[in-house]
Amino acid sequence: DVKVTQSSRYLVKRTGEKVFLECVQDMDHENMFWYRQDPGLGLRLIYFSYDVKMKEKGDIPEGYSVSREKKERFSLILESASTNQTSMYLCASSPGGRTNYGYTFGSGTRLTVV
Amino acid sequence: TQLLEQSPQFLSIQEGENLTVYCNSSSVFSSLQWYRQEPGEGPVLLVTVVTGGEVKKLKRLTFQFGDARKDSSLHITAAQPGDTGLYLCACLPNSGYALNFGKGTSLLVTP
Repeated sequence: DVKVTQSSRYLVKRTGEKVFLECVQDMDHENMFWYRQDPGLGLRLIYFSYDVKMKEKGDIPEGYSVSREKKERFSLILESASTNQTSMYLCASSPGGRTNYGYTFGSGTRLTVV
Repeated sequence: TQLLEQSPQFLSIQEGENLTVYCNSSSVFSSLQWYRQEPGEGPVLLVTVVTGGEVKKLKRLTFQFGDARKDSSLHITAAQPGDTGLYLCACLPNSGYALNFGKGTSLLVTP
């Protein structure tokens, strides 16, 4: 069964910590995405990557960075966690280019910053 | 960013009832996707519609793409508790690779 795996389901971090969220896909997809999901705001795109070492800012990149050193792995980094970054983080992947194939999502990481 | 409006925001019905949820935009979609997200999980793709007027069926779910490709609906016949979840529509913008998502319709089906 094809999969997108996020390293943690639940995470609690302190304000100011550097936080790493890891995402791995086994489908050989070129595109990978990080969204956050908040009640009333829906899914908002943080960053995406369309190839190894390539990245593009989404709608809300402030306070985040990403790394894609290998095709299957896309990491989201919170440089200095703040309470307003408490959220559900969703990683997704899709085949290369502009595709109608749709995304495969991971199960999400619920991050709480205290 | 192409804005997608979904309605209703919340829906609570009893098992066996029928329902329709809507996804609308002021702009033309190149294609539209529907996802279902169960509590505590990531969204799962249900269907992609591409052609204006297109109708697709997935068991008790019927998806319709408007003729003008600016709206879409999802109809569920004889809803079951297993249909409970957040239904999201999403579209590709005119350029770029990343989907824009609506805020979703949260459906609760009680036995």
